[in-house]
Amino acid sequence: EAGVAQSPRYKIIEKRQSVAFWCNPISGHATLYWYQQILGQGPKLLIQFQNNGVVDDSQLPKDRFSAERLKGVDSTLKIQPAKLEDSAVYLCASSLQLNTEAFFGQGTRLTVV
Amino acid sequence: AQTVTQSQPEMSVQEAETVTLSCTYDTSENNYYLFWYKQPPSRQMILVIRQEAYKQQNATENRFSVNFQKAAKSFSLKISDSQLGDTAMYFCAFYGGGSEKLVFGKGTKLTVNP
Repeated sequence: EAGVAQSPRYKIIEKRQSVAFWCNPISGHATLYWYQQILGQGPKLLIQFQNNGVVDDSQLPKDRFSAERLKGVDSTLKIQPAKLEDSAVYLCASSLQLNTEAFFGQGTRLTVV
Repeated sequence: AQTVTQSQPEMSVQEAETVTLSCTYDTSENNYYLFWYKQPPSRQMILVIRQEAYKQQNATENRFSVNFQKAAKSFSLKISDSQLGDTAMYFCAFYGGGSEKLVFGKGTKLTVNP
């Protein structure tokens, strides 16, 4: 069974530039999560989708971050414009349903300089 | 809002010994699930063990077991016969049936020494 795929693995951008991350969840998984993990900290939930609807986006900085999940499958997370404090690993995860095990991708390490 | 607290930023244990990682949580919900995830260095997060709040019996997965104290809102992870491959960050996570969010603690860095 293929796991959660994320791309790119690494990205370096200058502040005020824009960046996009892509996530392909495990086939059939209805729930998709985007987390931000700053070095040495636990993952912080940015947005959670159930199929193509948003369950929670209360911690998503909506003035600069946006996310969408097209047709309830792939998802894209965008940052525009990026700030230095956005440097982190962005983790995508998916689960079959809301209360079942979440499977994580390898993450995208973003460095904003 | 649900919160998950891991009070031990770092721990170490000798190979073959037993270690317990602590986790407490705060919630007003009755229907929830608790998880321990492992994140090895530079590798992806994987599930270690899962506990449903309605189950009184503590979950066990091979060398990993939990001590779930619902009244105290405590959910500790015990690793028996520690192995070098257990070296990782361990995160406690909470999923609430009402909030429908999966929330993580800040993690405990576990080092297993030879």
